[in-house]
Amino acid sequence: NAGVTQTPKFQVLKTGQSMTLQCAQDMNHNSMYWYRQDPGMGLRLIYYSASEGTTDKGEVPNGYNVSRLNKREFSLRLESAAPSQTSVYFCASSIGAGANVLTFGAGSRLTVL
Amino acid sequence: QKEVEQNSGPLSVPEGAIASLNCTYSDRGSQSFFWYRQYSGKSPELIMSIYSNGDKEDGRFTAQLNKASQYVSLLIRDSQPSDSATYLCAVNLPGNQFYFGTGTSLTVIP
Repeated sequence: NAGVTQTPKFQVLKTGQSMTLQCAQDMNHNSMYWYRQDPGMGLRLIYYSASEGTTDKGEVPNGYNVSRLNKREFSLRLESAAPSQTSVYFCASSIGAGANVLTFGAGSRLTVL
Repeated sequence: QKEVEQNSGPLSVPEGAIASLNCTYSDRGSQSFFWYRQYSGKSPELIMSIYSNGDKEDGRFTAQLNKASQYVSLLIRDSQPSDSATYLCAVNLPGNQFYFGTGTSLTVIP
């Protein structure tokens, strides 16, 4: 049981380049999330998808787009990367009801030069 | 105002002591409350969830929730060096949003 799988684990971009972070979960969870983590800032919610077919902005959505491709997959796209987007990105998922608990992927470390 | 506030620490306790971590939240619509532990370079892992007022114990960990005061705490008894990590408080808001505090760094000194 893989849980939440993120790719890539590491990426270096130049300013202005674009890239997509991929996330997939195999737990039949309804809700999926993208967070970024910067030193001293904790985890900040970028976008989330409460259920398949819906996406909503979180605390820090500017500069990002998301796609809930199907129930399993939720991708995060940086259209024109900026140095301020250098961060560790975590994808997470939850069942979306009842004992609603977040399960995290291993993280993706992105550096924008 | 950030949804979830934590004292960033660092907090240092000697081995065998009780570590006390605190968290306040701003949204009275918060439904569920969580403590995650994060080791350096790793992803957060759930250690406690609490849904109603009072105490919830799991081994050496006790979570306490007071919705009237909008306050959540985590007590770690008999602290071990392996408990040294950053502890993140999280709340679940209506609409399935999860918000986190900035985390408290705990060091347990052998």
